[in-house]
Amino acid sequence: SQQGEEDPQALSIQEGENATMNCSYKTSINNLQWYRQNSGRGLVHLILIRSNEREKHSGRLRVTLDTSKKSSSLLITASRAADTASYFCATDAVNRDDKIIFGKGTRLHILP
Amino acid sequence: KAGVTQTPRYLIKTRGQQVTLSCSPISGHRSVSWYQQTPGQGLQFLFEYFSETQRNKGNFPGRFSGRQFSNSRSEMNVSTLELGDSALYLCASSGTNYGYTFGSGTRLTVV
Repeated sequence: SQQGEEDPQALSIQEGENATMNCSYKTSINNLQWYRQNSGRGLVHLILIRSNEREKHSGRLRVTLDTSKKSSSLLITASRAADTASYFCATDAVNRDDKIIFGKGTRLHILP
Repeated sequence: KAGVTQTPRYLIKTRGQQVTLSCSPISGHRSVSWYQQTPGQGLQFLFEYFSETQRNKGNFPGRFSGRQFSNSRSEMNVSTLELGDSALYLCASSGTNYGYTFGSGTRLTVV
């Protein structure tokens, strides 16, 4: 079963706007990661946030983590056409056995 | 440094055949994980190897197997292929820090 669930499943916005994606998970985690996948290729690691962190930035990316609600959000500011991709959250549970579980992803489409 | 290399990139096989996929991790990475990605099921964890030992296994039938060599290269094998095995198979390596580096995947089509 999926540990992480992204919301929305799909999102279309105009270039230049901000895009926000959410991820909810079920069990206590050590950390949460966000990945990007372009059209059927491999996943690219974007950012990792640890369970004792609440917010993290990387360039135009901002990730928040609320462990009390078991949720995370990924904000992409000033979106560009190149941001068109699927975005996945991945979690490793506290009893993870070193296994990372991915959600089904949010498909983001940036309109010109 | 070189990324994760998966070969072949594309593969077409017939039902009942077997297939072997290869993954070369980033130099120095000892952990290799395999995932199956399909439109309906998303990314499903297959197994993880660390220093030639299978450390974790997902909920896949015994037709799916893997191994890791002393140089950390890994192979996965699927025997008696079924149509439902058509998928993108992704390999990821990781080092001492969290975070995976993925290969570009092998697209397997079973006809």
